[in-house]
Amino acid sequence: DTGVSQDPRHKITKRGQNVTFRCDPISEHNRLYWYRQTLGQGPEFLTYFQNEAQLEKSRLLSDRFSAERPKGSFSTLEIQRTEQGDSAMYLCASRVLRTGGDAFFGQGTRLTVV
Amino acid sequence: QKEVEQNSGPLSVPEGAIASLNCTYSDRGSQSFFWYRQYSGKSPELIMSIYSNGDKEDGRFTAQLNKASQYVSLLIRDSQPSDSATYLCAVNPARGGSQGNLIFGKGTKLSVKP
Repeated sequence: DTGVSQDPRHKITKRGQNVTFRCDPISEHNRLYWYRQTLGQGPEFLTYFQNEAQLEKSRLLSDRFSAERPKGSFSTLEIQRTEQGDSAMYLCASRVLRTGGDAFFGQGTRLTVV
Repeated sequence: QKEVEQNSGPLSVPEGAIASLNCTYSDRGSQSFFWYRQYSGKSPELIMSIYSNGDKEDGRFTAQLNKASQYVSLLIRDSQPSDSATYLCAVNPARGGSQGNLIFGKGTKLSVKP
């Protein structure tokens, strides 16, 4: 499978716990994006990487959220001290670094905080 | 003013008709424009990208871009019930360059009636 892969697909956690999600992009894609999507809304940008460098972070990315892409390949998104408002679909997308490079999404990780 | 605006719908068309989906954006310097389809509970799937003014056709889909009017649309010819989904418009704002983040609208829900 050469698409964007996310793990886990579903996560249920208790409020206050930490969770970590993983994204494996398409292998030749330099750019990797994280989005959050809640019901009835479009995906909201969280952050993106070019190789291992984190180039932009949204104001939505509070200090409880941290993202890494240590070797410029897979990325992790960690949420500390989860809150019920963090319940959402977390989407990863990747894109090749050239003009006209299309962005492709993984299947997403659905987080439920109870 | 939101950066990317779409009519949330629902837009209902009969099978075989043309569905017309519209999107406006606020950043005049935006460079890249995308249409994604999202089925309920699934991640967004890229349908088309467009970068230059005019029309771009791919099968039953035609994307239209008018940068002067800051307007992008998607036409679906011979609509099928399987086209019933939420259609997301995404824009690459100027500040990020052609490879920066993507800003999404809330999406338009399309329903194609048999």
